[in-house]
Amino acid sequence: NAGVMQNPRHLVRRRGQEARLRCSPMKGHSHVYWYRQLPEEGLKFMVYLQKENIIDESGMPKERFSAEFPKEGPSILRIQQVVRGDSAAYFCASSPDLSRPNEQFFGPGTRLTVL
Amino acid sequence: QKEVEQNSGPLSVPEGAIASLNCTYSDRGSQSFFWYRQYSGKSPELIMFIYSNGDKEDGRFTAQLNKASQYVSLLIRDSQPSDSATYLCAVNRQNTGNQFYFGTGTSLTVIP
Repeated sequence: NAGVMQNPRHLVRRRGQEARLRCSPMKGHSHVYWYRQLPEEGLKFMVYLQKENIIDESGMPKERFSAEFPKEGPSILRIQQVVRGDSAAYFCASSPDLSRPNEQFFGPGTRLTVL
Repeated sequence: QKEVEQNSGPLSVPEGAIASLNCTYSDRGSQSFFWYRQYSGKSPELIMFIYSNGDKEDGRFTAQLNKASQYVSLLIRDSQPSDSATYLCAVNRQNTGNQFYFGTGTSLTVIP
């Protein structure tokens, strides 16, 4: 049973470019969460999605960031016009359906570097 | 006040000793509590979760929850060098849509 998958594992972008981060949840999981981890800081919640729905985006910056989880395919976190401050590790987590909604399993992360 | 607070450490214990990691949280509405282990450059790995007051044991790990004091801890018995990592405390409030609040983590080093 494959775990949470994220790609790419490392992503380098120049200021002003777009970054697209992908996350495929564990099989049977329909809840997806995105977190950002800055160096020497804790994980910060960004957004919680279910298939085709954004449930909670209270942690997302108001501009340049968006997320989706389409009916088919992975969840995508999109960062437009990246700036150096966006450099961080971005983790995706997934959890099972409503019977066990709170146990979140993390993917390996995407390390974004903005030059 | 932060949602979840942890002593950043570093905490050093000799091999075979008990490591005690502590976490406090600010919201009394918090319902679920989790401990994750994160090795440097790796993703967080779920170790334990606890929902009810008291102790929960799993192998060498024991989680302790005291909701009245808003305090959760993790004890690691017979510490091994492979336990050296950063331990993250996470708290969930279901009325906020399954959002997790993480502490900044406690760095543990087990000295052989």
